[in-house]
Amino acid sequence: QKEVEQNSGPLSVPEGAIASLNCTYSDRGSQSFFWYRQYSGKSPELIMSIYSNGDKEDGRFTAQLNKASQYVSLLIRDSQPSDSATYLCAVEPVNSGNEKLTFGTGTRLTIIP
Amino acid sequence: DAGITQSPRHKVTETGTPVTLRCHQTENHRYMYWYRQDPGHGLRLIHYSYGVKDTDKGEVSDGYSVSRSKTEDFLLTLESATSSQTSVYFCAIRASLTGELFFGEGSRLTVL
Repeated sequence: QKEVEQNSGPLSVPEGAIASLNCTYSDRGSQSFFWYRQYSGKSPELIMSIYSNGDKEDGRFTAQLNKASQYVSLLIRDSQPSDSATYLCAVEPVNSGNEKLTFGTGTRLTIIP
Repeated sequence: DAGITQSPRHKVTETGTPVTLRCHQTENHRYMYWYRQDPGHGLRLIHYSYGVKDTDKGEVSDGYSVSRSKTEDFLLTLESATSSQTSVYFCAIRASLTGELFFGEGSRLTVL
């Protein structure tokens, strides 16, 4: 079982709709969770970090964390063509030692105008 | 801007030659990382450093070595490059309080 799993996509969403990206992780003791956006040919860019159960909102982005079910999700409201990118989920697993992130393989999101 | 510079940004080399990639940071972060990114595999940790001369292996460290003689510089060396090391290499630093990683612009390496 991979430590961090994401649906590879591609995920296509109409402009203005809500895009929902999901991520599951295997290390139950994980404490820190991150979402990165990566445009083609560019480096990953941090969008959100979340550390406790529940929702965290930042503009059009909402991260949701459920430690009991071991999943973290990212919602993008009012999707824009500029949101088209690959989204990477990253987790800091306790059993891998501290201060190291494990990344999922990413979900490619396409916003359809 | 996290003040991270990678060099070279692009390099083409031949199998068997040594290659060194450099990561330079300007903000005195303790932790620095080297990842490689390949289609279907995502970002995989090669090596990381938690201080000057303090380094440790990641999940794909075979064929790579690192050095950190100064806080600001973290070098990744391929002693004898192979075609399987063709990849995009990203350096990252870790924000101490939040654990967030911030990435450099990447170095695209092609081994012929």
